[in-house]
Amino acid sequence: EIVLTQSPGTLSLSPGERATLSCRASQSVSSGFLAWYQQKPGQAPRLLLYGASSRASGIPDRFSGSGSGTDFTLTISRLEPEDFAVYYCQQHGSSPYSFGQGTKLQIK
Amino acid sequence: QVQLVQSGAELKKPGSSVKVSCRASGGSFSTFAISWVRQAPGQGLEWMGGIIPVFGTPNYAQKFQGRVTITTDDSTSTAYMELSSLRSEDTAVYYCARDSPAGYIHYWGQGTLVTVSS
Repeated sequence: EIVLTQSPGTLSLSPGERATLSCRASQSVSSGFLAWYQQKPGQAPRLLLYGASSRASGIPDRFSGSGSGTDFTLTISRLEPEDFAVYYCQQHGSSPYSFGQGTKLQIK
Repeated sequence: QVQLVQSGAELKKPGSSVKVSCRASGGSFSTFAISWVRQAPGQGLEWMGGIIPVFGTPNYAQKFQGRVTITTDDSTSTAYMELSSLRSEDTAVYYCARDSPAGYIHYWGQGTLVTVSS
């Protein structure tokens, strides 16, 4: 089973700042099988990125993803108020299709 | 646009079973995988299993093997997740989701709160 570890657990930043979120896998994950989701309180998660770096439909270009192998990164270039949420990575290349434990992005 | 509409909240006693439904509309139902993901209060997301309706063979996370059953009814474009031998730790919001052809989750249901309490 592939374990995904996200860091930091909580990130406190101000609007306009740059956010960098990490997702590290216990085994190599094909970059084609790494996705990122955003979840706001009381809502279902929403797909942000797939294939490690491709934005889903309607996702602003301030969201970008990179990485390969065991290390992946989600970057939000300039934080908007609506970006403060919890972010999860998921690998869907090897069952069980595990999620990271999440990074909470909160307003500083 | 794909929509997934789940059944309503459930209150169950320990040791009982719960069956959550997920009706899909828009797009093809049979050829895309349906996944089930749960989220305990204040916790992260946990993948439970999935099924591609046209093939009918479910794939379960080891943790839930023997307790979870995922099925589909193509005639109504509905997926079901049944969890048995419920315990308090199973209290969670259960989401159904439809995967893309590449396997990432593209669409999510609204979630169903299952509370297990005596």
